Amino acid sequence: DTEVTQTPKHLVMGMTNKKSLKCEQHMGHRAMYWYKQKAKKPPELMFVYSYEKLSINESVPSRFSPECPNSSLLNLHLHALQPEDSALYLCASRPGLADPGGTGELFFGEGSRLTVL
Amino acid sequence: AQSVAQPEDQVNVAEGNPLTVKCTYSVSGNPYLFWYVQYPNRGLQFLLKYITGDNLVKGSYGFEAEFNKSQTSFHLKKPSALVSDSALYFCAVREYWGVLSGGGADGLTFGKGTHLIIQP
Repeated sequence: DTEVTQTPKHLVMGMTNKKSLKCEQHMGHRAMYWYKQKAKKPPELMFVYSYEKLSINESVPSRFSPECPNSSLLNLHLHALQPEDSALYLCASRPGLADPGGTGELFFGEGSRLTVL
Repeated sequence: AQSVAQPEDQVNVAEGNPLTVKCTYSVSGNPYLFWYVQYPNRGLQFLLKYITGDNLVKGSYGFEAEFNKSQTSFHLKKPSALVSDSALYFCAVREYWGVLSGGGADGLTFGKGTHLIIQP
C-alpha cells in the first residue's frame, strides 16, 4: 500500500459545527503532516507529527486541533471555523530519515475540500 | 530559512515543444530539492528530487531537472510537451524547523507554483 488516504473528500460545515478530517497511511511512515492550500496557492504547513508526537505547530488557530492516535492515523478536528478557513486540506507522510528512501520527500493524499458557510 | 522561488506564474508551450519551468533556491548547506505536480482538485504528486550526485535528475512522466549550484537553480524540463502535462507545478525545498518539545522536525517549503499550459 503506497497511498495516503484522506476522508472525507468534501466537507461543508457551518461556523458552529464540529467536524473532523481523517488521514491514514500504511507505509510505515513515521512523520505525518497537515497542510492548508488555498486556490492556486502553495500548500502552507499547519502541523507536523514525528513519531506520533506533535513537533511543529505553525501558529495555527486553536479552532484547528490535530490528533495522532497511532502511527498510521492522523486527524484534524475542526470547531467554530470561519469562512476564510475554506480550503483544500492536505495530509502527507514520509519515511523516517534513517529508513530506506528517507530523503525527505512527502507523499500526499488527495486532500479534503472544506467549505465553511 | 530555506526558500525556493518560481519566477513565472504561467508558462505556455506548444504541444511537442520542449518545456522548462524555472526554480531558484536559497539554502544554507546542501539543498534537498523536489518537484511536485498538482492537477485540478487533486493532491500533490511527486515528480523528482535532487539530494546529491548527478546534476541531471530524471523523474516521472518523462520529466527531468538540472541542478546548477553556481546559479542556485533547479529547473524542471521535458523534451516534448504533452497536453496532459498542463497542471500546476511546485518546486520545494526540505527545511528544518524549531520544535515544540525536543527532537527535530522537517518538512517541505514550497514555491508559489507555476501554471503550465500546453497548447494543442
